[in-house]
Order: sequence, then structure tokens, then C-alpha cells
Amino acid sequence: DAKTTQPPSMDCAEGRAANLPCNHSTISGNEYVYWYRQIHSQGPQYIIHGLKNNETNEMASLIITEDRKSSTLILPHATLRDTAVYYCIVRALRNAGNNRKLIWGLGTSLAVNP
Amino acid sequence: DGGITQSPKYLFRKEGQNVTLSCEQNLNHDAMYWYRQDPGQGLRLIYYSQIVNDFQKGDIAEGYSVSREKKESFPLTVTSAQKNPTAFYLCASSTTSGGRDTQYFGPGTRLTVL
Repeated sequence: DAKTTQPPSMDCAEGRAANLPCNHSTISGNEYVYWYRQIHSQGPQYIIHGLKNNETNEMASLIITEDRKSSTLILPHATLRDTAVYYCIVRALRNAGNNRKLIWGLGTSLAVNP
Repeated sequence: DGGITQSPKYLFRKEGQNVTLSCEQNLNHDAMYWYRQDPGQGLRLIYYSQIVNDFQKGDIAEGYSVSREKKESFPLTVTSAQKNPTAFYLCASSTTSGGRDTQYFGPGTRLTVL
């Protein structure tokens, strides 16, 4: 699975859009981009995933560049409850063999300020 | 409610004692996973199971054991052989049908070995 690079921390004002970048320059054609977040001392929460088209759900939007080497997670109107560590992960939807793990980096710690 | 439950939320044990962490899901998912998270770090895979009565070692399986006798349950035993067992333990499950493989996480168990 390809490796991802994220900034260690970001700040955002409450009510504004939070744009979290992720670089995945070694992504291969069959790998999806997944985003999870983890609020302190809780289990990670799935947010969204995509392959090459932009995706939107009730939580966020995912913008993937045309060359698929980077992506941005957008929280359109950040609230204090969006303060969390956000993880960007790339993986094939069906890995070869039995390896189904997600490779977790350190993520981006997003602080939403009042 | 559908979801993944882990119990207990906090667990304290004396050094040298085995301890079993519970993970139950009612999502009808085939695959289940155990991760370990240390402070300020990403998640690392301990064991995973894609089907009942079958499981595979992850990256850090030494000192741990699992069983998968029922689809709904995937208990993790932390044995006395685990050198540094104090950590936050997370269980996850996913379905592999229809090409979807999103992992959903439980609330976690924080184990402290005294």
C-alpha cells in the first residue's frame, strides 16, 4: 500500500471550512483514498473514501487531483466537535493475498477554535 | 442499535497476568481486526480474521492470541509474554461483500498493566 504524508497539525475557526491535505504520490491505479478521524480516546470514525472522482457525503467532501497524487478532505462548516486527528490512508479495495490491514500514519491534528 | 462493542472501557492488570479483551459486532461483518495504539501514534495491526475459525497475524502479534469461534465475536488475549502491554486497544470489523471494505471501529479498551 502507498504511503501518505499529512501536516502534523492545523487550526480552523469555527464555522469556516477546514481543508486537510494529503500527499500520496506513489498511489497505484487500484488504490482508494480513505479518510478516518479519531476524537481523543475514542475509536476512529470512517469519514469518506474515493478512487478518482470527487466524493461528498453528509460529513465531508473529498477532492482528488487528476493525477491522484494528492487529495483534500473538506469539512465545509467546522464545529468544535470536529476537533480530532484526521488520518488519510490509501489501500487497494481488495489486497492481494490475505493482507487487509490499513497502514496508519500520524495524521493531522485539527483544532477548531471558537 | 448496530455496531461494535468493546468491554471493558478501562482495564487494570498486574504484570504477569493474562487478560482478555472483548469485541462483539452485530453488523454481520465477515472480517474483524485488532489494533494497538500507543500515545501520539497511529494504529498498528495485531491480528485479523476474515472468516470464522480463521485468523492471521498482523505486524505486532507477539504476546497476543485471538480466537474466532463465532462471526460476532473476536476476543483478544494479552499474555504475560507481551513486553509492554499498556496501550489503547481497538477492534474493528468490515464486510467484504459488494466490493466494500470500510472498517468500522469500536470505542476501544484502555489497558494499564501495573
